[in-house]
This record gives sequence, structure tokens and C-alpha cells, in this order.
Amino acid sequence: QLQLQESGPGLVRPSETLSLTCNVSGRAISSYYWTWTRQPPGKGLQWIGYIYFSGSTNYNPSLKSRVTMSVDMSENQFSLKLSSVTAADTAVYFCARYDFSSGGMDVWGHGTTVIVS
Amino acid sequence: EIVLTQSPATLSLSPGERAILSCRASQSVGRYLVWYQQKPGQAPRLLIYDTSNRATGIPARFSGSGSGTDFTLTISSLEPEDFAVYYCQQRSSWPPEVTFGGGTKVEIK
Repeated sequence: QLQLQESGPGLVRPSETLSLTCNVSGRAISSYYWTWTRQPPGKGLQWIGYIYFSGSTNYNPSLKSRVTMSVDMSENQFSLKLSSVTAADTAVYFCARYDFSSGGMDVWGHGTTVIVS
Repeated sequence: EIVLTQSPATLSLSPGERAILSCRASQSVGRYLVWYQQKPGQAPRLLIYDTSNRATGIPARFSGSGSGTDFTLTISSLEPEDFAVYYCQQRSSWPPEVTFGGGTKVEIK
């Protein structure tokens, strides 16, 4: 059974880089797309970007200048880096598997809270 | 950027009633429209993909319809566990991006 688990610091200082990792278990990371989505407190969902196992990426235009995603197939995990963070980046960050053919995110991690302060 | 507008923002209904949620796109998204359910403190759960296909394990009381720019999620008879926030999401070919709607909260009347 496929499971995803986010990990990373829960507190990041303004202007620094937020770094999160999503560990994938129960299935190899290959042959799929993987996404990051975030949700500020009390607000809706915002797509951050997706990465294919090969390393090709597509980012939300509003975040593109600050986002970097990568895949580590040897560790079966993928990562998110968001630079120059501000309080507006405070959110719950979710990783998920993205089924490109249907356009849906069918397996999600539980989410991890990141506070910028 | 394709913008998804969900309405109403809040829907107050009683168990057993029918819920009809709307999602309108600023330009055509074909049939690449997805619906999620989210409960407090939880990750979103995939309900519907490709406009009208139920995800694995989703009850038949959930159905999706529409095409182009206008889409609907219908819950035929609300169960207590259906009170939650629902989001639509699209995946466009060009620009190649993913966007979410603002959400509709279905609350107990």
C-alpha cells in the first residue's frame, strides 16, 4: 500500500529556505508524478508544483522563482525547497502522488506544518 | 492562469438532503476536472476525477458532471460524514498548470 510521509523543520526564519522531504513507501517512486500543495491556516489549497521521477518539473508561476523540487530514487523520496520565505509561506505542506492522465492527486501524505517566524 | 470559482462558499443542509456544488472555470479545461473532500486536520481525499469518475472506494452517492467551463458535484443524500469542505481542481494542457478552486463548505443546518 502506497504511503507518503512529509518531514522537515516546523519552524523557519524569514528570508531563509524551507526544505521538506516526502518519503514514499509501498511502491517505487519511478513512473509517477509527485506534487507539493500547501494550505495556509484557515485558507484553501495552493498547488506548488510537480516533479516526474525523471526529474522534469512544473511549478506554480506565482512561486516559480523560489521553488526547487528534486527526486532521490535511491532513497525513494522527493523534496521541496522554497527560498526567501516570509510569513505568507506559513502553511500545512502536503505531498501527494499525481496521476497525470486523470489530473488527480490520489494518495496524500498527512501534511506537515511549517511556521515562518 | 485558469481560475476556478466555486459556489456557494457555504452550503447549509440537513442529513438526507441533496447537495449540489458548482465549479466554474475561467476558460475551458475539457474534462480534466477533479473533486476532493477535506475534513478538519486531514489531507484532501480524491473523490472524482476526469469530471465524472469516482475514485476507488468512493460511495455512489457522489457524482460529478459537466464539461468545458461548468462542472457540478452532487451528493445525492448527505450522510453525517459528508459534512466537510469540497475543492475542485483542474489540470490544463496549456498553460501546463494545476489550480484549485476556493472551496465549498457543506455544513449541518
